[in-house]
Amino acid sequence: EAQVTQNPRYLITVTGKKLTVTCSQNMNHEYMSWYRQDPGLGLRQIYYSMNVEVTDKGDVPEGYKVSRKEKRNFPLILESPSPNQTSLYFCASSRRRVPGGSSYEQYFGPGTRLTVT
Amino acid sequence: SQQGEEDPQALSIQEGENATMNCSYKTSINNLQWYRQNSGRGLVHLILIRSNEREKHSGRLRVTLDTSKKSSSLLITASRAADTASYFCATDLQGGSEKLVFGKGTKLTVNP
Repeated sequence: EAQVTQNPRYLITVTGKKLTVTCSQNMNHEYMSWYRQDPGLGLRQIYYSMNVEVTDKGDVPEGYKVSRKEKRNFPLILESPSPNQTSLYFCASSRRRVPGGSSYEQYFGPGTRLTVT
Repeated sequence: SQQGEEDPQALSIQEGENATMNCSYKTSINNLQWYRQNSGRGLVHLILIRSNEREKHSGRLRVTLDTSKKSSSLLITASRAADTASYFCATDLQGGSEKLVFGKGTKLTVNP
């Protein structure tokens, strides 16, 4: 079954304690992305990756890191979480567009609800 | 402000009625996509409509795109309680950006 998995699904942590949210996809997609969803603000992109070892900032990258060492995995790292990073996080993947072409549908993971106290 | 903005923010209808949601955007696009999100869950892709298309259908869903007005609409016909969810439009901008820009969504409630 084609899917994007995220772990953990729920996490409560304290300010400053480093954490990693894992994301894995089994569709051989080149493109992967992290979003956060907050009430009234919709989905905002944190980071994205167009292929292995290629990552770039989205709209709200401050306080986050990512890596893309393997095609299937795209972990999100919070080196020193703060309460304003309390949010619902989604990982997504898709085929990469051909040059000059348009994007494809994105497949989303189930979400990780993070609370930082 | 958001590239894609849905209207209305919330919509409540009875089962069997049609639901129409609108999305407006500001700059030229390659395509526009609609997604559904059940409460607290991941988004699920519904339909992708390219900039050179005017209308697409998928089951009870009908999407239109008017590039001159920079707007799109999603029509759900004969709605069911299971259609209760938030619906988001996402725009793929022309100009080389790899990302989709999501609106804030329309929260649809279908009452049995």
